[in-house]
Amino acid sequence: DVKVTQSSRYLVKRTGEKVFLECVQDMDHENMFWYRQDPGLGLRLIYFSYDVKMKEKGDIPEGYSVSREKKERFSLILESASTNQTSMYLCASSLYLGEANYGYTFGSGTRLTVV
Amino acid sequence: QKEVEQNSGPLSVPEGAIASLNCTYSDRGSQSFFWYRQYSGKSPELIMSIYSNGDKEDGRFTAQLNKASQYVSLLIRDSQPSDSATYLCAVKKGGGTSYGKLTFGQGTILTVHP
Repeated sequence: DVKVTQSSRYLVKRTGEKVFLECVQDMDHENMFWYRQDPGLGLRLIYFSYDVKMKEKGDIPEGYSVSREKKERFSLILESASTNQTSMYLCASSLYLGEANYGYTFGSGTRLTVV
Repeated sequence: QKEVEQNSGPLSVPEGAIASLNCTYSDRGSQSFFWYRQYSGKSPELIMSIYSNGDKEDGRFTAQLNKASQYVSLLIRDSQPSDSATYLCAVKKGGGTSYGKLTFGQGTILTVHP
């Protein structure tokens, strides 16, 4: 089975802190994604990466950055955490071969609370 | 108009009944369609994928796709209390720059009561 591992299940950070959320997948997937999930707003794409060192903004990139130095690892960085970034953060990966159709495998999620 | 819309729910069905979950999408170029199940406090897990018009069956689950009507549905037969969860519809657009990105609906909460 593909495994997508997120480093922390729960995090509590202070406003203004720099926060790193780590995600590692073990199946050599090209694509990796960061979403946040909030009640009533569903899953919203923050950033994604389709190759090492390649990244693309999603729908809500403001206040976030990402890093993908190795194929298996995709990090989400909150440059200066704010209370409105309190959320569930979900990492996902998928195989991508041209127009082939593959779904995501999600990590277990990180529930971040910014106080 | 939202890119992916699901029937708002919540949906409540008795044990043993058929649960019907619906999803519409706005982009006619969409190519692949997925249903995810998400238990409370857990991450989504893929339960069905469908790419061609018609029905696709997997155990108690049947996915139905009608590209002309831009409509995809999930039927759960013989519903069980363990099926109680939020069901997310996800759509992959076509095009070479999609990189497999999925757009998700808001989800439908399903409760199966004994």
